[in-house]
Amino acid sequence: DQQVKQNSPSLSVQEGRISILNCDYTNSMFDYFLWYKKYPAEGPTFLISISSIKDKNEDGRFTVFLNKSAKHLSLHIVPSQPGDSAVYFCAAILTGGGNKLTFGTGTQLKVEL
Amino acid sequence: DGGITQSPKYLFRKEGQNVTLSCEQNLNHDAMYWYRQDPGQGLRLIYYSQIVNDFQKGDIAEGYSVSREKKESFPLTVTSAQKNPTAFYLCASSINWDNYGYTFGSGTRLTVV
Repeated sequence: DQQVKQNSPSLSVQEGRISILNCDYTNSMFDYFLWYKKYPAEGPTFLISISSIKDKNEDGRFTVFLNKSAKHLSLHIVPSQPGDSAVYFCAAILTGGGNKLTFGTGTQLKVEL
Repeated sequence: DGGITQSPKYLFRKEGQNVTLSCEQNLNHDAMYWYRQDPGQGLRLIYYSQIVNDFQKGDIAEGYSVSREKKESFPLTVTSAQKNPTAFYLCASSINWDNYGYTFGSGTRLTVV
């Protein structure tokens, strides 16, 4: 049972445009969400996170939006750069409960020149 | 420089053989994790350890074993009982069990030949 889903396995955008990566979750108890970025043959690196008490968190070119009622979060990258080409994983957790991160299946982003 | 070291980066194993993947961290983190990445399936948790001399099964523990005799080390053994061992294996650590800022190693690609 996939509790965190990324329904788009791949996304292609032009350099300078906006990239929007989506993530849906089924467990309404999740209260903290993270995005990780992964290059081939490397481990994921933390990108940005958001608590369920917020609906938006921004860090430079990266913004994460959370819609709790829809159980949906999205990552916006503006402007997109070729170096952003990677696999992006969203992850969710129920904090304070001794639980573990649950990852989505990933979205391969390709930023074209 | 603190971090997580996984070795080797590439590993080949004959069917029916056990193989051990190394994971060492010098971050003084209490918690450590093993994930497996397969195409289209994201990151799935194999085993995790909250503290030294303690570990728990994750979502896909069958055919794997671990030990946590030292805080810095969390080796994963892929046994001959694991039916589909070919995958990319990632080790991660966090300060403690309730901290979800995971630091990942660069991974080991295991191929069964």
